[in-house]
Amino acid sequence: DQQVKQNSPSLSVQEGRISILNCDYTNSMFDYFLWYKKYPAEGPTFLISISSIKDKNEDGRFTVFLNKSAKHLSLHIVPSQPGDSAVYFCAASGYAGNMLTFGGGTRLMVKP
Amino acid sequence: DVKVTQSSRYLVKRTGEKVFLECVQDMDHENMFWYRQDPGLGLRLIYFSYDVKMKEKGDIPEGYSVSREKKERFSLILESASTNQTSMYLCASSFRLAFADTQYFGPGTRLTVL
Repeated sequence: DQQVKQNSPSLSVQEGRISILNCDYTNSMFDYFLWYKKYPAEGPTFLISISSIKDKNEDGRFTVFLNKSAKHLSLHIVPSQPGDSAVYFCAASGYAGNMLTFGGGTRLMVKP
Repeated sequence: DVKVTQSSRYLVKRTGEKVFLECVQDMDHENMFWYRQDPGLGLRLIYFSYDVKMKEKGDIPEGYSVSREKKERFSLILESASTNQTSMYLCASSFRLAFADTQYFGPGTRLTVL
């Protein structure tokens, strides 16, 4: 049973608009969440993270929101650019440390 | 910049062959990880190591073993490859285990078992 789920396998957005990628988790012990971006033929690269003591973290065009009561987080990209087209993975970590549990990924396509 | 390299980008093997996937990191990281990536399933942890000669099973260790004889090198071994091990294999490393530290990934090895 997947503890981290990304229910949308793909998302298509027009350049300049907002992209919203969603992630749900079931394990209440998770207290640190990360987003990774993966281009074809490359390994995932770290994008942004958030600790459970916060509900928002912003880095340039990327903002992650955490709703602990709903066990839900989302990644907002504003404005979206064609170079943002990639697969995005949500990951979660518990108090035990650095072990990451990944979601299934969402393929984002930003159209010019 | 952290660099994680994997010995092969593409590999084709036959059922029953023994397969070695090598991973090297150059940042003196304590922890190293092997994942496999399959469509819709995301990245699933096979094994990880938090020190030389130390290893721990991840979520899907069956059919795999690992070796870490040197800090910078972590090998994944498929003792007898099977078609259901056809996948993308990703190696990662991170500095500390007892803290949610960023993992850095290699480019991946796409393994096809015929």
